[in-house]
Order: sequence, then C-alpha cells, then structure tokens
Amino acid sequence: NAGVTQTPKFQVLKTGQSMTLQCAQDMNHEYMSWYRQDPGMGLRLIHYSVGAGITDQGEVPNGYNVSRSTTEDFPLRLLSAAPSQTSVYFCASTRQGSGNTIYFGEGSWLTVV
Amino acid sequence: AQSVTQPDIHITVSEGASLELRCNYSYGATPYLFWYVQSPGQGLQLLLKYFSGDTLVQGIKGFEAEFKRSQSSFNLRKPSVHWSDAAEYFCAVGPILTGGGNKLTFGTGTQLKVEL
Repeated sequence: NAGVTQTPKFQVLKTGQSMTLQCAQDMNHEYMSWYRQDPGMGLRLIHYSVGAGITDQGEVPNGYNVSRSTTEDFPLRLLSAAPSQTSVYFCASTRQGSGNTIYFGEGSWLTVV
Repeated sequence: AQSVTQPDIHITVSEGASLELRCNYSYGATPYLFWYVQSPGQGLQLLLKYFSGDTLVQGIKGFEAEFKRSQSSFNLRKPSVHWSDAAEYFCAVGPILTGGGNKLTFGTGTQLKVEL
C-alpha cells in the first residue's frame, strides 16, 4: 500500500516551460487536492476533485490546470512556468465523509528560474 | 470564507517546559479541525483532528488540543516538550459535511524552537 505518491520530488524549470506534477493514490479515495506551500503562508489550495471527471478551483488556481480521468490519478499541470510558482507542492487524498484520515504525499520541490 | 489564524510565528521553549500553540478559526458552521507538524524538508504529519464528540482531543507524541466553540479556538498543548518537537506546526480547518479532505484552509504556521 503506497498511499499518496508524488513525482518528481525535485524539479528545476526555466521560465515559460511546462510540466506536470504527478499524483497517484491506491486507496480508492474520492477526494484529491493539490496545495502549494510558501514560506510564511502555510499551505494554500490550488485545485481539488471530488471524483473522476469532477474538478474545481481552490484559493490559488491561476497558472495551473488539473484533470481527473481516473480515481487514482490527479496530475497538476503548469502551463507556462513563472518564478512565482517556485514552491513546494503537496497532493492529498481522502475518502468522502466525515472523520476520515487525509493522506498527504511527501511533496514536490519545484524551482522556476 | 473560512480562515485560520496562528498568531505566533515563532515560539521558543525550554526542554521539559509546557507548550501551547494558539489557533483561531473563522468558519460558518461546525468545522473539521486539524493540527499538523512538519520537520524541515519533510512532509506533513497529522498530530490530531477534531470533528465531533469530546472537545479535548488526544493525539500522537503526547499532544492534545481543545476545541472551544465559543472562542473559535483549537489550541494545541503538550505538558513537557522534548527537543525532537522542534518543527513547524500548522492548524487547519475544513468543511465537516464533506470530511474536509478536499478543501482545507491552513494557518501560516508556528515555528517551534526548543532550547536544551
């Protein structure tokens, strides 16, 4: 049981490049989310999904796209990377309903130069 | 809109001393509340959570938190701090009806330093 797996763990991009951060979970969780963490700002919600085919925007969605074609996968796409997107990204998943444990991935460190 | 305030950016305590980290939230309904800890370069570890029942919640590593609805607070406490507790602590709130797992709002964190 791998839990929530994020890849890559570290990535350096040039401004304007595109890339996809991968997130996969093997627990058949309905809910998946992406957060970014910046110093002094805690974690902020980028996008989330309540099931395959359903996504919605969080607090800071600009510059990011998501899709949820399967229950297991929730990739985060940076269309044209900017230095402001230098951050640590966390993926999370949980089962629908109250009281369930939320599982976080180990994070992806992204630097845009 | 939901929000979380952690008023203390940095806290320093001596090893063996008691600890209280403050968390105040703003939310329109009964919230789902969490405390997470993060060591440098690491991911998030759940310390404890509250969504119903006893307002005093016990967590891992000897931590506890008390939900006070009248004060909109969910403060984290530990009777005796260990040097290994030095880390950053985050309070978070989410919508209880959906389990909160898809829409958490985090505080800005409190950095704990432990003096030996």
